[in-house]
This record gives sequence, C-alpha cells and structure tokens, in this order.
Amino acid sequence: DTAVSQTPKYLVTQMGNDKSIKCEQNLGHDTMYWYKQDSKKFLKIMFSYNNKELIINETVPNRFSPKSPDKAHLNLHINSLELGDSAVYFCASRLSTGELFFGEGSRLTVL
Amino acid sequence: AQSVTQPDIHITVSEGASLELRCNYSYGATPYLFWYVQSPGQGLQLLLKYFSGDTLVQGIKGFEAEFKRSQSSFNLRKPSVHWSDAAEYFCAVGDFQGAQKLVFGQGTRLTINP
Repeated sequence: DTAVSQTPKYLVTQMGNDKSIKCEQNLGHDTMYWYKQDSKKFLKIMFSYNNKELIINETVPNRFSPKSPDKAHLNLHINSLELGDSAVYFCASRLSTGELFFGEGSRLTVL
Repeated sequence: AQSVTQPDIHITVSEGASLELRCNYSYGATPYLFWYVQSPGQGLQLLLKYFSGDTLVQGIKGFEAEFKRSQSSFNLRKPSVHWSDAAEYFCAVGDFQGAQKLVFGQGTRLTINP
C-alpha cells in the first residue's frame, strides 16, 4: 500500500494549457503539502493544508490553485502553464511529530 | 526565518570509505532536524530525525547524525558506504511553532567510486 500517492507521475504539455496533479495519503495525517523541486534539486514549499484548510501559501503565482476535498486528498491545479513551471512536484503529509512522508513526485514538462 | 546550508554540492567517496555530509541551520528556537535521501527518480525518504534528548541519533541504512547546538550543525555520518548509498541527501529544519513547514537545504549529491 502506497502511503502518499501522486498521479500522474509524468506530465508533458504545451505552454498555456491547464493541468492538474492529484495526491492522496492513506496515513490518516491532518496536514498535507505541495513542494516544488527545480532542476537544481532545490525543494521549495508551495502550499500546506491542515484538515482541508489552507495554512501556508508561499508567494506562489495565483495560476496555481490547490484544492483539498478532504484531509486525505490535496490536488494541485495549474492554469496557463509557463516554461518555468517545469519541475518535479512533490506531495507530502505530516506526522504529528513533524516528519514528512513524500510521494514519488510528478515530473511536469512544459514545451 | 529559518534556513539550512549544505556547504557541499557534490561529494565523491570510495566504496567502503567513511562519509560525513555537513549541514548548518539557522533557527531561533530548539530545532527539529531531519535528513532525507532521494534516489534518482524517487521521492524523499526519511533517514533520521532529531527533536530533543541524545544529540547522537541513529537512523536507517546505518546512518547517524550528531546535533551540535554550539555549531548550529547536524552532520550526517556513515562509517562505511555502499554503492547503493549514491543519491541526493537533504538536510531540513522544521518550524512547527510557527509556519508548520520543513525548510530544506540545497542538497548534497553523493557519488560512490567502486
């Protein structure tokens, strides 16, 4: 059983398109995150939800819109994709003691 | 604001040699510290964590790390590396009093020579 699962794992699309990445965790955690990993492997937090409520929004362009229908799911929708959005996007959920459990990542390539 | 510095972008060691990866953090309170490993094409896996207590913490895969408050460091060590240890290693500091997030260092890529 995968603890944090993301779909799709790979996404190739044209500039200007809209795309979504889905994330589900079966760990029962209350808090979930989206991180972006750029080509230099740097990991930067984008959003965090706690029990369906947005608690962190780190100056991400409003083309990015997270949605949490319930505490086990945190989806990421991106409008009007740009070349600079190409990256690996990681979903994670947090244990009450602080450590994060990560999904395998979704590699987005914008052409 | 909290920050993490990993001074070494890339380290190469021979199989069987010892390893130390450096991590320095900046945080106002008692830090929650983590080391994660990322194999190519994979997500991040937790190696070990420090919250309080014994400053030498043991993790999975034979790794350990030592918290030194006076040096603001949390260096990762392994006495003898295996070829399968080749990966990217990330140090992180947790801010769970305030922003409820992990801040990561830039990562250190580890290459193992046979």
